This record gives sequence, C-alpha cells and structure tokens, in this order.
Amino acid sequence: GIQVEQSPPDLILQEGANSTLRCNFSDSVNNLQWFHQNPWGQLINLFYIPSGTKQNGRLSATTVATERYSLLYISSSQTTDSGVYFCAVEVEGSNYKLTFGKGTLLTVNP
Amino acid sequence: SAVISQKPSRDICQRGTSLTIQCQVDSQVTMMFWYRQQPGQSLTLIATANQGSEATYESGFVIDKFPISRPNLTFSTLTVSNMSPEDSSIYLCSVNPTGRAEAFFGQGTRLTVV
Repeated sequence: GIQVEQSPPDLILQEGANSTLRCNFSDSVNNLQWFHQNPWGQLINLFYIPSGTKQNGRLSATTVATERYSLLYISSSQTTDSGVYFCAVEVEGSNYKLTFGKGTLLTVNP
Repeated sequence: SAVISQKPSRDICQRGTSLTIQCQVDSQVTMMFWYRQQPGQSLTLIATANQGSEATYESGFVIDKFPISRPNLTFSTLTVSNMSPEDSSIYLCSVNPTGRAEAFFGQGTRLTVV
C-alpha cells in the first residue's frame, strides 16, 4: 500500500516563530488533506489540497503532486497551534479511504 | 462541510464488555468510515459502512470484534466487542459529503478499557 511519511516527527517552537511541515507519499493520490488534532482528540480540517497552493490566515499549504509531496506552513505560531498535524491521502480507486501519516507533534511555547 | 455527532465522547469500560458508539450526520451520505487511533499512534481505517449492505473491513479487523450497523443514510454504529485493554483508543467516524472528496470527522470517542 501507499506510504505516507511526515517530517519532522516532533517540533518545538517559541511563539511567533514560523515552521514548515512536510508530507511525502509514495504513489499517485486523488486527495490530500491536512488536519490538526487538538488535545481533546478532535480532527480539525485545515486544507483539502490535492494540488496547488492554498492559504487560510497564518496557515498555507502547497502540494506538488508530480513530485509526491505536500508542505504545510505555519507563520507567527501561537500556543493554540500546539497539537498533532496529520497528512492524509486517498489513493486512486480507494473510494475515499484515507491513509494517514504518523503526524508531527508541534509544541509552541509562550 | 458536515456536522457529525459522535456519542459517547468518552467512556471507561470493564474488560470483557462491549461498547456501542453512535455517529449521526446532518446530511445523507453514501459511505461512512470508522477509524481507530491507538495511544500515540496515527489513525487506521477499521471499516467502511454502506447503507443497505454489509460493512467492508480492512485487513486486521473482523466483524465479530467490530460489528457495524448502517440503518440509514445519516446514522451508523460501531460496537467494540469483548473489550480488552488493547482496545483502549480513540474511535472516530468520518464522512465525505455527497459530491465532495474532502473528509470530515466526528469529535471522536475516547475509550479506556480497565
């Protein structure tokens, strides 16, 4: 099956710093999403981004499907950005089933 | 987007018992998905629940352990049967609103088996 690798596994920042999270995948995908899991376990949709670039406030994401990677940028980080960030992909023909990476644990210190 | 309500949000259960988790969506959807997240791990798909047919289970998951019901296009249940401490996880349901490839998740059920 498809392999989804996220890096770095852990990241510690000071409030106000910028960061880039990476997601590499081993095969062609129909769909790629970024999620933020809050401390209560809920998955928050950040981006649906099978290709191209999107921005939402301090967050932006870029997916280069031909090179099989996606990047999530967090600018001017805040303590509320802390949590686990997951990349998830849908392989062609899988009928919306998602394969998740192992996540990046982000800690933003005040 | 979709509004997905999961119940219960958390529970502590005795080993050997069963727990049924409910997932209610505010719109009709063809497929509903159940995922498991073991402590400190990523999410793994358990099964796909289709209305009017048997659920489709992923490798490593069986119907006897995780029976699923899908009585209509807005509701599904997942039962975790004969629980052991290894079943302690967050269980999440997910849907793709009709015509959309973007998936949305319920708030999850945090299960602890003692």
